[in-house]
Amino acid sequence: KNEVEQSPQNLTAQEGEFITINCSYSVGISALHWLQQHPGGGIVSLFMLSSGKKKHGRLIATINIQEKHSSLHITASHPRDSAVYICAVRSRGYGNKLVFGAGTILRVKS
Amino acid sequence: DGGITQSPKYLFRKEGQNVTLSCEQNLNHDAMYWYRQDPGQGLRLIYYSQIVNDFQKGDIAEGYSVSREKKESFPLTVTSAQKNPTAFYLCASSIERNTGELFFGEGSRLTVL
Repeated sequence: KNEVEQSPQNLTAQEGEFITINCSYSVGISALHWLQQHPGGGIVSLFMLSSGKKKHGRLIATINIQEKHSSLHITASHPRDSAVYICAVRSRGYGNKLVFGAGTILRVKS
Repeated sequence: DGGITQSPKYLFRKEGQNVTLSCEQNLNHDAMYWYRQDPGQGLRLIYYSQIVNDFQKGDIAEGYSVSREKKESFPLTVTSAQKNPTAFYLCASSIERNTGELFFGEGSRLTVL
């Protein structure tokens, strides 16, 4: 079993829909990152969080440390949100090394 | 603007050849990393460097080599000893090792013919 599991693996949505991507992890962590990989391949950091909730524009990230679970929400989705969304955790057991999920491929249709 | 520049974006290599991927950052970050990305898998750490003239093996270092002669530069050489080098390679940096936000380059796609 991977230390970081994302669901779903693939997601297709209609423009305007509310989207949720989930991340579950099995290790103790000091922080969790949500990353966006655009079709060209480059990656940008969306959020880094260790508790609670963060919001940036139409994106919201939440984390529940007790349940070892995080969600990334996209409100009013748009075709430009189409990308791969990657969850990564800083694992305390490995000296805060980053452990990455396999990613969720999101396609938003107009 | 500050950021990370990787080159080349696409690279083709014949079997038995060494190739070097460039990574330059102007963020004044101490820590730099090389990751490999394969379809359906999470990013895997090849090498990392905490400071100039220091670097450490990651999880999949076999067949790769790096150098860190300048703070700004962390080139990766894919040697002929790497058995399956076709992949997407990403360079990243952070202010310090294993802490803070990560900044990534645009990646380099290596194909072995």
